[in-house]
Amino acid sequence: DIQLTQSPSPLSASVGDRVTITCRASQSISNYLNWYQQKPGKAPNLLIYAASNLQSGVPSRFSGSGYGSDFTLTISSLQPEDFAIYYCQQTYSIPQDFGPGTKVDIK
Amino acid sequence: EVQMVQSGAEVKKPGVSLKISCQGSGYRFASSWIGWVRQKPGKGLEWMGIIYPGDSETRYSPSFQGQVTISVDTSTSTAYLQWGSLKASDTAMYYCARREAKWGSLYYFDFWGQGTLVTVSS
Repeated sequence: DIQLTQSPSPLSASVGDRVTITCRASQSISNYLNWYQQKPGKAPNLLIYAASNLQSGVPSRFSGSGYGSDFTLTISSLQPEDFAIYYCQQTYSIPQDFGPGTKVDIK
Repeated sequence: EVQMVQSGAEVKKPGVSLKISCQGSGYRFASSWIGWVRQKPGKGLEWMGIIYPGDSETRYSPSFQGQVTISVDTSTSTAYLQWGSLKASDTAMYYCARREAKWGSLYYFDFWGQGTLVTVSS
């Protein structure tokens, strides 16, 4: 199975900060990498698919990059509603597992 | 509008069976894979498996193979997750989600159900 690690965790930041979360795969997964946001008591919400493609309806302050085994999710200017847990997911091979998550909380 | 609507919360005793459901609407149900994801209290997301309603092809994570059964009823646009004998360790929130693809094979879960909380306690 492909293992995903995320860093940092947790991440403490302030409103307006530029935030970067990293996801690393145990082997090359091309661009088969998605990012989700989960708020307390809610289902996850797709932010980025195929490493760098913004899902419809997601604010443009979110962006993704990377290829191979190293990926990043960037929030250009953190907003109050962005405090949440962020998960990466690989869809290169079964099981299409998620990373452990990065909690973004208020500094 | 695409919607995935899951059945309500369940409280069960260890050893009993359970089947929870996920009804899709607003899209061609038979043409998109549906996945199940487990989230234990305070923990992360775990990919359990997926099913293609068009032909009921199913793929499981090795961690869940033999522990649960994923099935589908295309006549009601409903996917199911079932247990033959529940354990306390099955206590979790279970989400279904539609799996879509771009450019043929770049998959992602784009629409999620609201979750079904399963509590197993004696």
